[in-house]
Amino acid sequence: SQQGEEDPQALSIQEGENATMNCSYKTSINNLQWYRQNSGRGLVHLILIRSNEREKHSGRLRVTLDTSKKSSSLLITASRAADTASYFCATPLNDYKLSFGAGTTVTVRA
Amino acid sequence: EPEVTQTPSHQVTQMGQEVILRCVPISNHLYFYWYRQILGQKVEFLVSFYNNEISEKSEIFDDQFSVERPDGSNFTLKIRSTKLEDSAMYFCASRDRASKNIQYFGAGTRLSVL
Repeated sequence: SQQGEEDPQALSIQEGENATMNCSYKTSINNLQWYRQNSGRGLVHLILIRSNEREKHSGRLRVTLDTSKKSSSLLITASRAADTASYFCATPLNDYKLSFGAGTTVTVRA
Repeated sequence: EPEVTQTPSHQVTQMGQEVILRCVPISNHLYFYWYRQILGQKVEFLVSFYNNEISEKSEIFDDQFSVERPDGSNFTLKIRSTKLEDSAMYFCASRDRASKNIQYFGAGTRLSVL
C-alpha cells in the first residue's frame, strides 16, 4: 500500500528563493528517499536518509527526518529554473519495492 | 554514467492488443522492477524480479501482465490484452546488491491505449 504523502501538492517560487516540501508516512522505515521527476521524464534519485539520521545535506538539498512524527522534509536552497520538477518521497516497504508519495510540483519562476 | 534505458519512449496501441515494453537495466545490477504512473497519480509498484523469477508483485500485476529477462541484458514487460486503463507511464528500475534500496529508473515508456 502507498504510504508517502507530500505537501504541498504544488509550489511556485521565485528564482533564488528556498523551496520546502514535506512528506509523511505511516509505517516504520529504515530509510526514506527523495526523487525528482522532470516533466515527462524518469525518476532521478536525489538523496537517501537513514532512520538513525536526523538531517542530511547534498549540495543545495537538505533533508530532515523525524521518525517520531513519521515525517521528512526536503529543502532546496537558492532555487534555479532547472529545479522546476516534481519531487517525490519514497519509502522501501521491503527489499523489493518502493512506495511513492503523490509528489510536490515545484515551479521556479525566473 | 550507466543508466537504465527504455524503449520505445511512446507506444500507441489499440485496446485488446499485446504490447511489450523493453528495458535494458544497468549492466551489473541484479534486481529489476516495473512501476507505472497513471497521469496525475502516484508512481505505483508493479513487480520486482530477481534471479530469474518474480520476487513480488502488486495486485495490479494480474494475469494480463508478465515479465521476462530473455537474455543477459533485456528486461521486458508484456501486457497481453491491453485495456484503456493500462494507459500510463511505465518505468523500469534496477539496483545492485550493494545499493540496497536505491533504485535507478529509466526515462519511462508512455503507453497510450486507444
